Amino acid sequence: SYELTQPPSVSVSPGQTASITCSGDKLGNKYAHWYQQKPGQSPAVVIYQDKKRPSGIPERFSGSNSGNTATLTISGTQAMDEADYYCQAWDGSTVVFGGGTRLTVL
Amino acid sequence: EVQLVQSGAEVKKPGEFLKISCKGSGYIFTNYWIGWVRQMPEKGLEWIGIIYPDDSDTRYSPSFQGQATISADKSINTAYLQWTSLEASDTAMYYCARHLRPGGEMYDAFDIWGQGTMVTVSS
Repeated sequence: SYELTQPPSVSVSPGQTASITCSGDKLGNKYAHWYQQKPGQSPAVVIYQDKKRPSGIPERFSGSNSGNTATLTISGTQAMDEADYYCQAWDGSTVVFGGGTRLTVL
Repeated sequence: EVQLVQSGAEVKKPGEFLKISCKGSGYIFTNYWIGWVRQMPEKGLEWIGIIYPDDSDTRYSPSFQGQATISADKSINTAYLQWTSLEASDTAMYYCARHLRPGGEMYDAFDIWGQGTMVTVSS
């Protein structure tokens, strides 16, 4: 079965750039989507189709996807960005989630 | 406002039946796939399956095939997730979510999420 691999945790200082990776076999040939989940809340999409931002998502969130790796980048990270982040892709008619990355803003 | 509203928290005993719901509003319910996602306590997101309410075409994750059943009643804009015999390991938060793109093609993100239904199974 298809798997997506994320680092369990990433730390970043306020105002710096955070990068969260998501690896999967030929992931660049699929669309990668990213979700943010804060404690006690439902997940919310922050990037879809590799690099598109839904309305209301700040410009500091961006995405890329090439080869075997998709990357979520948060520029000028703020304390409010501290959350769990999940990547997601489709493998045929099956949804696959990455294991999630906890972003800590120190 | 486009939203998915899920049924309330449940506390059940092992072996019991349970059916939880997800009601859509503010959009044409039959035109969008609805997925179900499990999140066990302090764990990540796991995909259970998905249904197209217009014709009830349903797909399951291999990990959940036979473990739970997804259905929909398009007359009341509601999708369901049910278990015939719960186990303690079913204790989790369950989310429904709408596929962003209308129609049959499945490749997009899930843009609208329900608030979640907490299911606790304990003797």
